[in-house]
Amino acid sequence: EVQLVESGGGLVQPGGSLRLSCAASGFTVSSNYMSWVRQAPGKGLEWVSVIYSGGSTYYADSVKGRFTISRDNSKNTLYLQMNSLRAEDTAVYYCATHGDHTYYFDYWGQGTLVTVSS
Amino acid sequence: SYVLTQPPSVSVAPGKTARITCGGNNIGSKSVHWYQQKPGQAPVLVIYYDSDRPSGIPERFSGSNSGNTATLTISRVEAGDEADYYCQVWDSSSDHQGVFGGGTKLTVL
Repeated sequence: EVQLVESGGGLVQPGGSLRLSCAASGFTVSSNYMSWVRQAPGKGLEWVSVIYSGGSTYYADSVKGRFTISRDNSKNTLYLQMNSLRAEDTAVYYCATHGDHTYYFDYWGQGTLVTVSS
Repeated sequence: SYVLTQPPSVSVAPGKTARITCGGNNIGSKSVHWYQQKPGQAPVLVIYYDSDRPSGIPERFSGSNSGNTATLTISRVEAGDEADYYCQVWDSSSDHQGVFGGGTKLTVL
């Protein structure tokens, strides 16, 4: 059974950093495409970043240069390093798997809340 | 960047058919995926590749895509279908980017 468990969210001041983790079970992270998707309070879904099985990474324009997606194959875990955080980064962050090396999201974690505030 | 447009809200009586649209420039040339999200929960995939249903999704959920509009159709709507629905595509034309519509709140009257 596929399971995704995010952690690492919390309250951080503007300009600060945070690293989110997504522990996976039931499949191999490095063999799949994996994305981060966020949702600001009361707002819609926003795609944030993807890492392909080959290691290529891509980012939404809103986070490019500030966020870094990575994975640890030995821990079967996906990460999102978030630097230079802004109030508008406040959101629930979900990790999600891509279905069979395609571009829809078939499994989602429960999400972790990041609040950027002074 | 590619933009997807959804109506903010759709209302339907129980037992009737709900249609939620997703507009985009020549969206018919792209694969469209749909998600259902209930309050406090993670999104759930309900339609992928325009019209395919994941296992466990009722046949009442169907999808179509042509021209500039993709449509999620929910037949024989039930109270439990009340949720936010999002369409999604992948834009590989410039930079690899996931794109979501703004979401539609489905209200069952």
